[in-house]
Amino acid sequence: QKEVEQDPGPLSVPEGAIVSLNCTYSNSAFQYFMWYRQYSRKGPELLMYTYSSGNKEDGRFTAQVDKSSKYISLFIRDSQPSDSATYLCAMSVGRTGTASKLTFGTGTRLQVTL
Amino acid sequence: DGGITQSPKYLFRKEGQNVTLSCEQNLNHDAMYWYRQDPGQGLRLIYYSQIVNDFQKGDIAEGYSVSREKKESFPLTVTSAQKNPTAFYLCASSITSGVRYEQYFGPGTRLTVT
Repeated sequence: QKEVEQDPGPLSVPEGAIVSLNCTYSNSAFQYFMWYRQYSRKGPELLMYTYSSGNKEDGRFTAQVDKSSKYISLFIRDSQPSDSATYLCAMSVGRTGTASKLTFGTGTRLQVTL
Repeated sequence: DGGITQSPKYLFRKEGQNVTLSCEQNLNHDAMYWYRQDPGQGLRLIYYSQIVNDFQKGDIAEGYSVSREKKESFPLTVTSAQKNPTAFYLCASSITSGVRYEQYFGPGTRLTVT
């Protein structure tokens, strides 16, 4: 079993829909959670960063962490064709003073159609 | 603008040849990383470096080598010993102090070996 599980999709939604992307994990030591967006043939870019359980909102994006269930989510409201990309979740135990090793999900490919 | 540059964007080599991928950052980050990305497998860590003149093997280091002679630079050599070198290679960097654990990625190099 992988340490982080993520549905690969593809997920196809109409423009304006609410999108829910999810990851589950098995290592209870993870405390820092990230979502990256990766356009085709580009490097991943950081979208959301959260610590421990709770919600964080940034514009149309909301990141949610439920440590008790070992489950994280990314919600995209009013989805746009420009949101079409692969979304990667990433997690870290977090040890200051060392390199920040991240464990990534395999990514979910999202397609927002007109 | 601060960021990470990788060159070249596309690289073609014949089987049996070593090839070096360039990664430079001007973010003043201490840590740097190399990942390999294959379809359906997410990001796999090849090597990482926490500080100049120090580097550690990641999960799939066999057939690869790195050096870290300058803080800004972390080149990756794909040797002829790497059995399946064709992939998308991503370089990343991060801080090692404080409580932020995200990594910032370069645009990637697509290597094709025939």
